[in-house]
Amino acid sequence: DIQMTQSPSSLSASVGDRVTITCRASQGITNYLAWFQQKPGKAPKSLIYAASSLQSGVPSKFSGSGSGTDFTLTISSLQPEDFATYYCQQYYTYPYTFGQGTKLSI
Amino acid sequence: QVQLQESGPGLVKPSETLSLTCTVSGGSISSYYWSWIRQSPGKGLEWIGYIYSSGSTTYNPSLKSRVTISVDTSNNQFSLKLTSVTAADTAVYYCARGQQFLGKVPFDYWGQGTLVTVSS
Repeated sequence: DIQMTQSPSSLSASVGDRVTITCRASQGITNYLAWFQQKPGKAPKSLIYAASSLQSGVPSKFSGSGSGTDFTLTISSLQPEDFATYYCQQYYTYPYTFGQGTKLSI
Repeated sequence: QVQLQESGPGLVKPSETLSLTCTVSGGSISSYYWSWIRQSPGKGLEWIGYIYSSGSTTYNPSLKSRVTISVDTSNNQFSLKLTSVTAADTAVYYCARGQQFLGKVPFDYWGQGTLVTVSS
């Protein structure tokens, strides 16, 4: 299985900040990488697919980049509703696998 | 707006079969891939498998011997059966939709999730 490793595991930031989360795949996955946001007790919300394409309705403050094994999710101008846990996921090959999550705290 | 809703028993006894259904509203079940994913504190997010609307399936090899996913297009539903459950199968179970893009299938919509506890 492809292992997905996120860093950091947790991150503190303030409203208005810009933050970057990193995701590394144990082998190349071209750009078949998605990012999700999850708030406590809620379902994950799809943010980005194909490493950098925004899902419909997702604000442009979220951006993704990367290819191969190294990827980043950047969130600009943090607002209170952005504080959540973020996961990356590869869908290059079966079984699909997820990172362990990055908890973004205020 | 597409919505997915999981349903099924919240408590299953060890060695029995876990059965869940996901009902899709606001869109057709046809021409999409329908996944089950679970989340537990110990193992994080784990993809269980998916079914295409035509009925073809792909499963996680770690669960393949115990999993069956089926689809009921007439009722816009798909289902999960997991046999011989143990406490390790206790998790929140999510259903999700996948749409083919450049030959692969990313998820776009998720259900709210349902907690299933395995206990006698």
